[in-house]
Amino acid sequence: GAVVSQHPSRVICKSGTSVKIECRSLDFQATTMFWYRQFPKKSLMLMATSNEGSKATYEQGVEKDKFLINHASLTLSTLTVTSAHPEDSSFYICSARVPSGQGRGDTEAFFGQGTRLTVV
Amino acid sequence: DAKTTQPTSMDCAEGRAANLPCNHSTISGNEYVYWYRQIHSQGPQYIIHGLKNNETNEMASLIITEDRKSSTLILPHATLRDTAVYYCIVRLTSNTGKLIFGQGTTLQVKP
Repeated sequence: GAVVSQHPSRVICKSGTSVKIECRSLDFQATTMFWYRQFPKKSLMLMATSNEGSKATYEQGVEKDKFLINHASLTLSTLTVTSAHPEDSSFYICSARVPSGQGRGDTEAFFGQGTRLTVV
Repeated sequence: DAKTTQPTSMDCAEGRAANLPCNHSTISGNEYVYWYRQIHSQGPQYIIHGLKNNETNEMASLIITEDRKSSTLILPHATLRDTAVYYCIVRLTSNTGKLIFGQGTTLQVKP
């Protein structure tokens, strides 16, 4: 399957600082990527849809000024958690769907390995 | 996208078939059934998807009832590495790839 890579896989930061998480599609171009967060023993919650060259679309209840998303190229989307607080500690996961026409012939989404953020 | 209902947890003996059910009684005619799994502290992994017919790949089989209101994911010979949370998701393939996850089924494969 297609490869989506996240970096870093694990990060610890101090309260009040900002953290940037990268999501890359390694072998395909992704005009749309998705960001999820997951609390312990809970399911994935969609945060936002990242659109290349335009503003991200945020799900209800997700603060866009808190979670800044930039999708500057067809292979990279970034999520920046600004002024992080301990309650932002979570597992953040990105995904991308291979657009039709790129020879994949399938429609499933591919996920990164996730980033565990701990705010102390 | 239609809502799905899955059992919270299931156990399976190593080497035996694991049958994971999913109810999606409000599924519409152009919605597919997708299965993903998430091994602890990793991103979800695609398993299989189908519309009406049963499907099989190297990982699993998907059995969809004739009325499409439920389906079963079958892992034919479960191994300890199949221990994971399994998510059944119903969605339109025409959407952008956005997935709405339910609570899933935690499958514990035991020796």
